[in-house]
Amino acid sequence: QQPVQSPQAVILREGEDAVINCSSSKALYSVHWYRQKHGEAPVFLMILLKGGEQKGHDKISASFNEKKQQSSLYLTASQLSYSGTYFCGTGNTGNQFYFGTGTSLTVIP
Amino acid sequence: DTEVTQTPKHLVMGMTNKKSLKCEQHMGHRAMYWYKQKAKKPPELMFVYSYEKLSINESVPSRFSPECPNSSLLNLHLHALQPEDSALYLCASSPRTRGDRGRGEQYFGPGTRLTVT
Repeated sequence: QQPVQSPQAVILREGEDAVINCSSSKALYSVHWYRQKHGEAPVFLMILLKGGEQKGHDKISASFNEKKQQSSLYLTASQLSYSGTYFCGTGNTGNQFYFGTGTSLTVIP
Repeated sequence: DTEVTQTPKHLVMGMTNKKSLKCEQHMGHRAMYWYKQKAKKPPELMFVYSYEKLSINESVPSRFSPECPNSSLLNLHLHALQPEDSALYLCASSPRTRGDRGRGEQYFGPGTRLTVT
């Protein structure tokens, strides 16, 4: 039930772009994205509730392809503060919630 | 106020001890969660409370016992834990509740780092 993310890890230089993918073998009713910095709690970034939806906040945006059961997170012109582990997450018809496998993103000067 | 607080920050306990973790939120959220997170792994859902009633228990061993005294508080009672239970325990709350297909964003507390010796 756990969504699979790719890549597992990525290293960027400041100003470069990155894409993180989240894929599920089960139907995706919604997709959350969270960022967790080392030693801290996950922080909510955004939620997509229906297929075709795209959202953006500052230079981070996401898309949701319901038919393909996939979501992607786009980080544009990365900053040092973007470093951390990114998790997608999804619920189902009950109250279960599953985080994806995680993507470690490191931005270097 | 989007803060979820957790106490204690760190806890070391022996396998025969009884201890409790506490979580509090004042955002009016009616769904609260307990997660367990091991190093370099994603959080794993343990329990979900919706309107103070336990709605999900992800096959968690009985040595973990949740309690939701009211809509703002969540406790996790620990008894006879094993060393493999050492982990970061995260509490979260969400404005969405039952049967919402995961539509409610979750706000996490800073966690309690538990070590079982």
